[in-house]
Amino acid sequence: GAGVSQSPSNKVTEKGKDVELRCDPISGHTALYWYRQSLGQGLEFLIYFQGNSAPDKSGLPSDRFSAERTGGSVSTLTIQRTQQEDSAVYLCASSQAANTGELFFGEGSRLTVL
Amino acid sequence: AQSVTQLDSQVPVFEEAPVELRCNYSSSVSVYLFWYVQYPNQGLQLLLKYLSGSTLVKGINGFEAEFNKSQTSFHLRKPSVHISDTAEYFCAVRYNAGNMLTFGGGTRLMVKP
Repeated sequence: GAGVSQSPSNKVTEKGKDVELRCDPISGHTALYWYRQSLGQGLEFLIYFQGNSAPDKSGLPSDRFSAERTGGSVSTLTIQRTQQEDSAVYLCASSQAANTGELFFGEGSRLTVL
Repeated sequence: AQSVTQLDSQVPVFEEAPVELRCNYSSSVSVYLFWYVQYPNQGLQLLLKYLSGSTLVKGINGFEAEFNKSQTSFHLRKPSVHISDTAEYFCAVRYNAGNMLTFGGGTRLMVKP
């Protein structure tokens, strides 16, 4: 597709369940980012992938959060044993290279933990 | 710690009035600066960016921003807003060619008729 695609667009889950959020970046973009946007707050960096390099996981809030990127393309963000404070919009972005700064964002996955 | 501050969480303004959305960042030798806009129920899209050169940057939809190194600011301006400009605006900074963008908390621009 022409843009960054994320799925699901909405996810409602019960506390304690695991969830997976998927991101399909723009074809050819080597850098991929996950951010979290909580209600009324800015964007919080979670994790960054660049090519085949080890990901920058410095923003992950706890060990319940993990992400992988297969074949340098699609990425999956996994949240284990979800908590109510995990409720947020999870945004994925990609860019052609790490240092251009221009990120192209998907529309996000809205996660609600009951 | 590196940070980006958007002083106004909400800015109400009447249609056709000028607007300025403020953004300040923590000092650094080298920064790249961005403004993103998020319309209701949509993803973020790039409004404009400063990488180098002229400190006055023009973006889409009539917006412009000025990089002021001495004041570590990158305020966004538009001389005459439209109802369709109602959205959330995010300032973002890339410090020293690092890996990620650091975002401010956002400013909700509410344009009233």
